[in-house]
Amino acid sequence: SQTIHQWPATLVQPVGSPLSLECTVEGTSNPNLYWYRQAAGRGLQLLFYSVGIGQISSEVPQNLSASRPQDRQFILSSKKLLLSDSGFYLCAWSGREGQYFGPGTRLTVT
Amino acid sequence: EDQVTQSPEALRLQEGESSSLNCSYTVSGLRGLFWYRQDPGKGPEFLFTLYSAGEEKEKERLKATLTKKESFLHITAPKPEDSATYLCAVQAGGYNKLIFGAGTRLAVHP
Repeated sequence: SQTIHQWPATLVQPVGSPLSLECTVEGTSNPNLYWYRQAAGRGLQLLFYSVGIGQISSEVPQNLSASRPQDRQFILSSKKLLLSDSGFYLCAWSGREGQYFGPGTRLTVT
Repeated sequence: EDQVTQSPEALRLQEGESSSLNCSYTVSGLRGLFWYRQDPGKGPEFLFTLYSAGEEKEKERLKATLTKKESFLHITAPKPEDSATYLCAVQAGGYNKLIFGAGTRLAVHP
């Protein structure tokens, strides 16, 4: 069966510091992968998606970037965090019936 | 512009009191409508995918239906463990990209 992991689970970072969030998927090969952000009490906003190694598409211009160095690894990064980057970050992979989400990372920028 | 609107924003029910959640959408070329359940601090959990008007799917106390403009999530005789935020999403473009509504927060009281 397929499993998706995200780490860290929670993160508190000062403004201007770098960021690296990691997502890995097990039990499937060459999945479409997605990064979402969820603000408090809001729906999910698609940030990036990837259809293969090194292939990244950005949905929203912002302070963040994504990379896919391996087939089942998806990384979300920033060189300098802003207060507005705070939120709940979710990674997902696309299966036969829909998208399946990881447990998420709660990021607080102080 | 593709858009998903969920109502009500919040719903409080007594245990056993059946009700429905609404998801209305405006999209060019619907490829699928998805329902998710999200518990606080966790990633969304996949519930259903609906592809065409008239389609229905059931899982325990939940039943999802789809028309050309909206979807309903019917909850029959809910229990306190059904308390969660229910998210609706549509797939309208390629690469299985989803557009999410803001969700309905359901609270079921004993």
